[in-house]
Amino acid sequence: EAQVTQNPRYLITVTGKKLTVTCSQNMNHEYMSWYRQDPGLGLRQIYYSMNVEVTDKGDVPEGYKVSRKEKRNFPLILESPSPNQTSLYFCASSLSRVPTYEQYFGPGTRLTVT
Amino acid sequence: DAKTTQPNSMESNEEEPVHLPCNHSTISGTDYIHWYRQLPSQGPEYVIHGLTSNVNNRMASLAIAEDRKSSTLILHRATLRDAAVYYCILRDQTGANNLFFGTGTRLTVIP
Repeated sequence: EAQVTQNPRYLITVTGKKLTVTCSQNMNHEYMSWYRQDPGLGLRQIYYSMNVEVTDKGDVPEGYKVSRKEKRNFPLILESPSPNQTSLYFCASSLSRVPTYEQYFGPGTRLTVT
Repeated sequence: DAKTTQPNSMESNEEEPVHLPCNHSTISGTDYIHWYRQLPSQGPEYVIHGLTSNVNNRMASLAIAEDRKSSTLILHRATLRDAAVYYCILRDQTGANNLFFGTGTRLTVIP
């Protein structure tokens, strides 16, 4: 089944403790991205990657890092999480950047930073 | 990417057609109109997209105004499973594939 998976689905952590949220897709998609969703703000893009070893900042990249060493994986790294990064995070992938292709979203990771 | 305007919420009776409007008065000639929806506790999912002509797929129909300044997502027979937040999004060919999600329209389906 074609899908985007994220782990963990739920995470509670403390300020400053490094964490990684994994994202994997099995569709051989070139394009992957991370979004955060907050009440009243909709979804906002954090980082995106157009292919292996090619990443760039989205609208809200501060406090986050990403890497794209393999085509299927695009982990999101919070080196020193803070309470304002408490949010619902979604990973997405698409065949390419061409806007006629749909994006597939993962099920989400709910992160709480205390 | 240009922005869109949608009503905050709409209601529909089950098995009735639903017309979800979207205004995009600043749309450019190369912008595609995309619709996604987000069911409760799930990630967004693609519904449909179009450029100039009306489009149909198994999920919905998309009606695009002749001047392209507005569009309407049509669900032909609303079911309880269609209760979701629907997002109308413009995608520029020169953009970085970013989907700008506003706050969308929350559709409530009444049994």
